[in-house]
Amino acid sequence: AQSVTQLDSQVPVFEEAPVELRCNYSSSVSVYLFWYVQYPNQGLQLLLKYLSGSTLVESINGFEAEFNKSQTSFHLRKPSVHISDTAEYFCAVRGSSYSSASKIIFGSGTRLSIRP
Amino acid sequence: EAGVAQSPRYKIIEKRQSVAFWCNPISGHATLYWYQQILGQGPKLLIQFQNNGVVDDSQLPKDRFSAERLKGVDSTLKIQPAKLEDSAVYLCASSRGRVQETQYFGPGTRLLVL
Repeated sequence: AQSVTQLDSQVPVFEEAPVELRCNYSSSVSVYLFWYVQYPNQGLQLLLKYLSGSTLVESINGFEAEFNKSQTSFHLRKPSVHISDTAEYFCAVRGSSYSSASKIIFGSGTRLSIRP
Repeated sequence: EAGVAQSPRYKIIEKRQSVAFWCNPISGHATLYWYQQILGQGPKLLIQFQNNGVVDDSQLPKDRFSAERLKGVDSTLKIQPAKLEDSAVYLCASSRGRVQETQYFGPGTRLLVL
């Protein structure tokens, strides 16, 4: 079975400042890792995902996350945030084999609030 | 391409009443998921369908929750009878079917049980 821990429930930052949202996971099998974003009054959207290959993955709006197998982490970073990045961010893990153990497990979320 | 549709968007009921939610996935998506998202928590998978068969319902409270996906397209999730702790957002998602495929989420149904 897999589990996900998002250590920070809320992260306030100033506009144009860098941000890191932390995510740690545990699993006994190989995993796929995801970051989803939920903007106010909207549904969940995939931000980026790691399936295999390069451990650094990027989104179209400037976020990036690095898969660190030794530290079992998948932290999300952005060098300079904008007001429009205000949202709740969910880290998720899924076993990479097609079985009943491969359901996606979400963390409890981190609310990112941007101050002007 | 139309997204995942859900209805109703909001529902208020009293405990012990019944309620049903409807989901229409993205056309061609074989896999459909129902999640429960309680305030302050991440979504929790209730049930996963592959076409019209159940793949995983291990976290579905089967004494009160039921779900079906007739003809492998639309799906309904029912709660009967509802309890106060069922107050949550119920999310439907769909994907093409392979494990690495992206799940696309609907806007959710916000349920309040009084």
